[in-house]
Amino acid sequence: DAGVTQSPTHLIKTRGQHVTLRCSPISGHKSVSWYQQVLGQGPQFIFQYYEKEERGRGNFPDRFSARQFPNYSSELNVNALLLGDSALYLCASSLGSGRSYEQYFGPGTRLTVT
Amino acid sequence: AQRVTQPEKLLSVFKGAPVELKCNYSYSGSPELFWYVQYSRQRLQLLLRHISRESIKGFTADLNKGETSFHLKKPFAQEEDSAMYYCALRGGSGGYQKVTFGIGTKLQVIP
Repeated sequence: DAGVTQSPTHLIKTRGQHVTLRCSPISGHKSVSWYQQVLGQGPQFIFQYYEKEERGRGNFPDRFSARQFPNYSSELNVNALLLGDSALYLCASSLGSGRSYEQYFGPGTRLTVT
Repeated sequence: AQRVTQPEKLLSVFKGAPVELKCNYSYSGSPELFWYVQYSRQRLQLLLRHISRESIKGFTADLNKGETSFHLKKPFAQEEDSAMYYCALRGGSGGYQKVTFGIGTKLQVIP
């Protein structure tokens, strides 16, 4: 298993545009979480999905949305991009939701907003 | 609100010296605490968590609820320990969880 995969690796967008980031979890994992990591900061929790339902949400505006598909892959969508959305977006998968489940992180997608 | 504080952005120690990476948290319920590590050009990975109470790569961390701390310790630093270390807290109720990371501490082990 290649582990958690994310696409694209890098992308550059202009302010006001929309972006979709994709994540494929480890085979058998049913939970996906998304994080934003701004340079010099720790990852900030955006969403967690389990069995296609939202199970956790961080303090992000409604411009951020996500969904999980029947095959447990996930998309993170960001509308009306701002310069401040420039960051590394991390996806993590785990077997289940809730306590005690270890998260495995992907390599991230580097988003630059100009 | 849950919060994780790592007071040091950079910690430099000599090889063979003891290491202590500090982490303090704020959470009203019963949290789950973790340490994650990111080596150069590698993915973020779990190092250890308080519920397992095990030693990984010589590192240990004890949850002190009285001091709301979860410091990471190793008696003798090795060069391969140089990396970014993040303390994280998972809290919530039932199946609804939120994870909070600290800002991270860069550990530099000097040969």
